[in-house]
Amino acid sequence: DAGITQSPRHKVTETGTPVTLRCHQTENHRYMYWYRQDPGHGLRLIHYSYGVKDTDKGEVSDGYSVSRSKTEDFLLTLESATSSQTSVYFCAISWAEGTDTQYFGPGTRLTVL
Amino acid sequence: GDSVTQMEGPVTLSEEAFLTINCTYTATGYPSLFWYVQYPGEGLQLLLKATKADDKGSNKGFEATYRKETTSFHLEKGSVQVSDSAVYFCALSDGTDKLIFGTGTRLQVFP
Repeated sequence: DAGITQSPRHKVTETGTPVTLRCHQTENHRYMYWYRQDPGHGLRLIHYSYGVKDTDKGEVSDGYSVSRSKTEDFLLTLESATSSQTSVYFCAISWAEGTDTQYFGPGTRLTVL
Repeated sequence: GDSVTQMEGPVTLSEEAFLTINCTYTATGYPSLFWYVQYPGEGLQLLLKATKADDKGSNKGFEATYRKETTSFHLEKGSVQVSDSAVYFCALSDGTDKLIFGTGTRLQVFP
């Protein structure tokens, strides 16, 4: 157990509403990541962080923003949710970049109606 | 860019059968290679990894060998159990901050 929690675990929302997902870790890992998982696509990186207030875009960042004001929390925000953002969202953490193992949270299932 | 290709599933096997899930990769450098497993309703867990050519990763009876000449990292297990039913993801890291995942292969094992 890598000490990662995600909240909420399930959410249903309507198109056009803002949504924030939270990832919380107790391991003091430097790197944190947000992925989305969709059938036929595997996991795709949305945004990642390599330290407090240091973030960068991943492969599918359009429509998403992130913030990291504390080491332990990494927030993913959908400013105006769309149906194409219906997905399962996973947070991951790692000690160091590249070859180190990433540990994943339990996921958040988001449905945008 | 770098990419990972996995065989499409589902793979359906009887208990105690031999398992192979194929994974090939394209990378410009010398990536590290990973297999992750996702059990129903859960997040991904690292199953095994290999960081250089000819390395063999192993865990829980699963094995995979890093083959640079064929750019492959096939997952094998000699005798699967019902509890191995899950989705298996092959992934690579080129030494930067990111993992690149394959699309996943669902394994279903029946008693």
